[in-house]
This record gives sequence, C-alpha cells and structure tokens, in this order.
Amino acid sequence: GAVVSQHPSWVICKSGTSVKIECRSLDFQATTMFWYRQFPKQSLMLMATSNEGSKATYEQGVEKDKFLINHASLTLSTLTVTSAHPEDSSFYICSARDVAGSYEQYFGPGTRLTVT
Amino acid sequence: SQQGEEDPQALSIQEGENATMNCSYKTSINNLQWYRQNSGRGLVHLILIRSNEREKHSGRLRVTLDTSKKSSSLLITASRAADTASYFCATVNTNAGKSTFGDGTTLTVKP
Repeated sequence: GAVVSQHPSWVICKSGTSVKIECRSLDFQATTMFWYRQFPKQSLMLMATSNEGSKATYEQGVEKDKFLINHASLTLSTLTVTSAHPEDSSFYICSARDVAGSYEQYFGPGTRLTVT
Repeated sequence: SQQGEEDPQALSIQEGENATMNCSYKTSINNLQWYRQNSGRGLVHLILIRSNEREKHSGRLRVTLDTSKKSSSLLITASRAADTASYFCATVNTNAGKSTFGDGTTLTVKP
C-alpha cells in the first residue's frame, strides 16, 4: 500500500509555455501533499505544502504565481509551472501524508521537466 | 531552509566493506527517514525510525537515532556495487509535519 504516482514522469516544453504535473495518492487519502524540487547533484528543496481545499503554503523564495498548486481532492494535487523558462528545468517530486494521522510521508517517483 | 546535514558528502569503498553515513538535524522531529536515489531517478524509501526508537534494522541496513545529539546514522553492511547511489536523510518536523532533506551522501561501491 501507500503508493504515490506522478504524471508525467518526464516532460519537455518550450520556454514560455505552462506545464502541469499531477500527484496522486493511489490507495490512501492525503489531506496534505508536499512539492519538492531537485536540481542536478543537489538535495530536495521543499517548494510548498498543499492542503486539500485550501491555499498552498509556499516556502520562502518560491514564487506562488509561477508555481500554481491545486489540491482539489484527497487524492490529487497538481503543480503548474507557468511561463516556464530553462532555469525551471528540474526534477519535481511530490509526497503525500496519509490522512490516518501519522506523519509518515510517501513519495512519488518524480517528474523531470526540461524547458528548451 | 534545509536542516539535515549528512556526512560525509561522498564516500567511496570496495565491495564487501561497510558504509556508514551520518545525519544531523536541528529541530524536534517525529521521525527520521532514509532514502536512496540512483542517478536521475526517484527516491526509494529505505527505513523509517520514530523519535522514540533508538535502532532499527532492515536486511543489510542498520539505522540508529540519538535524539539527544540530534543525529542519526545509516550503516550498510557487506556493500555491493548496486548500492552505489545517493543517500538522503529526511526529518519530519514535530510542528510542521513536513519533511526536510539533508544534502545527501554520494556512495560509490567499487566492484
């Protein structure tokens, strides 16, 4: 159990376009999901915390108007990178926390975004 | 900001040797998790240790947690070339409930 999926697994887009990444908890409900970004040879940096039915909480330095997060249901959160630029190219990983109450988090396999 | 710090940053050993990686953190935690990441791939969850646990084993992995020193260690015994990867610790903060990742240790196991 406790599987988190991400779609797409990789995407290439042109500069100036928007890209949507989905994060789904497949066999559990998640009131809270987290979005991370990882640049090559670096660690994961938390971008934002996504709560079902409310606005996301962004970490300092992360532009909320550029990285739109929607958590419309207990099993789905989306991250939209708007007006993407080459510097947004990165590995984006989501995690979901089981609504059952523990602090255990389950990570998705990641989405590799390349902006040309 | 990232609160987990791993050391060493890079570790190179021969197959069959043991590998030890350490992680330090700053705030109170609910649990600490170790992950492996092969180059360009997603995270693989290795082991979770709760704040009230001191040691945990899983196969060739042994994790210790010292909450008084705010540190954890991951020991991989009898390493294999396939263990070559980056290893990250992640702490779940008591208040915020979010995971914070350390900088990671890059392990190279030479055959």
